[in-house]
Amino acid sequence: EAQVTQNPRYLITVTGKKLTVTCSQNMNHEYMSWYRQDPGLGLRQIYYSMNVEVTDKGDVPEGYKVSRKEKRNFPLILESPSPNQTSLYFCASRTRTGGASDTEAFFGQGTRLTVV
Amino acid sequence: AQSVTQLDSQVPVFEEAPVELRCNYSSSVSVYLFWYVQYPNQGLQLLLKYLSGSTLVKGINGFEAEFNKSQTSFHLRKPSVHISDTAEYFCAVSDQRGGGNKLTFGTGTQLKVEL
Repeated sequence: EAQVTQNPRYLITVTGKKLTVTCSQNMNHEYMSWYRQDPGLGLRQIYYSMNVEVTDKGDVPEGYKVSRKEKRNFPLILESPSPNQTSLYFCASRTRTGGASDTEAFFGQGTRLTVV
Repeated sequence: AQSVTQLDSQVPVFEEAPVELRCNYSSSVSVYLFWYVQYPNQGLQLLLKYLSGSTLVKGINGFEAEFNKSQTSFHLRKPSVHISDTAEYFCAVSDQRGGGNKLTFGTGTQLKVEL
């Protein structure tokens, strides 16, 4: 089954304690992204990757890091989480056709993070 | 840069009634248009998309949307809703120039279908 898998689904942590949210896709997609969803703000892109070892900032990258060492995996790292990073996070992947901007994005189930 | 406006944050509707969820966008370049649906405690899934051609696009679960270039709108419609349509709906755009990986989302519309 084609899917994007995020772990964990729920996480409560304390301010300053480093954490990693994992994301893996089994569709051999080139493009992967991380979004955060906040009430009244919709989804905002944090970071994206267009292929292995190619990553770039999205609209709200402050406080986050990513890496793309393998095509299937795109972990999101919070080196020193703060309460304003409490949010619902989604990983997504897309295949690359001529340009990829017309293709469907496949989303993970989401990770609900609470930083206290 | 693109932006997407979904003016209605919540839309209550009775079962079997028609519904329209509004989406307007702003962009200095041509864009592709999408509607995604998010059921409770799940990720987003694609309902339909407009790339080119006929401005009326049909999607899954009986939904359709019409692209209006002059009004920069892409409203979503369903002639008769069901309880199972209760979800949050997001309109999104991406730059037609391609090569990028950016979807710009609206703030979402919560559709609540009541008996």
